[in-house]
Amino acid sequence: GNSVTQMEGPVTLSEEAFLTINCTYTATGYPSLFWYVQYPGEGLQLLLKATKADDKGSNKGFEATYRKETTSFHLEKGSVQVSDSAVYFCALNNFGNEKLTFGTGTRLTIIP
Amino acid sequence: DGGITQSPKYLFRKEGQNVTLSCEQNLNHDAMYWYRQDPGQGLRLIYYSQIVNDFQKGDIAEGYSVSREKKESFPLTVTSAQKNPTAFYLCASTPGGGLETQYFGPGTRLLVL
Repeated sequence: GNSVTQMEGPVTLSEEAFLTINCTYTATGYPSLFWYVQYPGEGLQLLLKATKADDKGSNKGFEATYRKETTSFHLEKGSVQVSDSAVYFCALNNFGNEKLTFGTGTRLTIIP
Repeated sequence: DGGITQSPKYLFRKEGQNVTLSCEQNLNHDAMYWYRQDPGQGLRLIYYSQIVNDFQKGDIAEGYSVSREKKESFPLTVTSAQKNPTAFYLCASTPGGGLETQYFGPGTRLLVL
């Protein structure tokens, strides 16, 4: 079956630091990969996605590249802001199992 | 403004009581989903529905029930059989239930008195 493994949190960084949150997956075929963000007390919002190998998803300064050879989809941002503090979820789905499979989430806190 | 609304924001349940969480969408999406979120465990799928009058169990359906009588509505009932209902419940939808992006509501936090 499908599974997603995310970097354990919490992660605390200073403002303007470089961010990486690791995500690796197990799935058959060619899954679609997603990063969702959850701000305190709210639902999830799609941050970015990639649907095929070597695709790069990007949004709000965040990027992630679909690496089939390493089954990874790591989230990166060059300079984080306090407003990026949230929980980040990596997720996937694929044909034959269209339900989203989520990682456990990584809590990110940015300090000024 | 199109979107998903969930109500109430907070819900309290007494022992032995059934409670119903509301989820409404005006996105004209066919598929709707219910997830449960517990600290440190990510999201787990409770039930999903790809068309009106049809729904399937997810990974943790025991103690829950749903209905899909209208395209825009997918209420979740937490029954007294659910022994540990305290969690954050999230509703989501997609246009066709395939590999599209899921759109989420703001969530309902259920607490047991």
